[in-house]
Amino acid sequence: KNEVEQSPQNLTAQEGEFITINCSYSVGISALHWLQQHPGGGIVSLFMLSSGKKKHGRLIATINIQEKHSSLHITASHPRDSAVYICAATSGGGADGLTFGKGTHLIIQP
Amino acid sequence: NAGVTQTPKFQVLKTGQSMTLQCAQDMNHNSMYWYRQDPGMGLRLIYYSASEGTTDKGEVPNGYNVSRLNKREFSLRLESAAPSQTSVYFCASSAQPSYEQYFGPGTRLTVT
Repeated sequence: KNEVEQSPQNLTAQEGEFITINCSYSVGISALHWLQQHPGGGIVSLFMLSSGKKKHGRLIATINIQEKHSSLHITASHPRDSAVYICAATSGGGADGLTFGKGTHLIIQP
Repeated sequence: NAGVTQTPKFQVLKTGQSMTLQCAQDMNHNSMYWYRQDPGMGLRLIYYSASEGTTDKGEVPNGYNVSRLNKREFSLRLESAAPSQTSVYFCASSAQPSYEQYFGPGTRLTVT
């Protein structure tokens, strides 16, 4: 069974700061997902990656397969980035569902 | 495109009552999932359906049953609700090749 650990659990930063959220997992995976949960409760997929790096706007996700570690970075953070960020892993062929970390609650203060 | 829809949005049950949570997707996805989210525990997989006609247990299946009614619909049934099933329930769907997951808005269930 895959264990997915995230750090930090809570993070408060000032607007404009560079943010890093870390995720580690215990066994080999087929893909690593980063999700965002808004204060209203909705969950959206930000990235899905199995190697290397992906970038979307101010968000960057990286993964190191050998070290079983992924990071989510936010550049030039803004109060609207305040949300819970969740990493999750799939170990099977992809259709088997996700194993989640417990999430990082991010607050960006103006 | 509505994406993934769930009904109801909120529900209060008494211990021992039964109910079915409904989920539908209009993206022609093969795979569908039910998750529950609890404070301090994160999201956990209850059941999934990798394709129409198949269902499999996830991490926390006890007390639940599922039905993959057709390719669009995947329902979750609580036969005899217990206070431990108080949670927020999310349905999701995905498809090859990426299996990126699309989530419904969630159902907040309270069992008293």
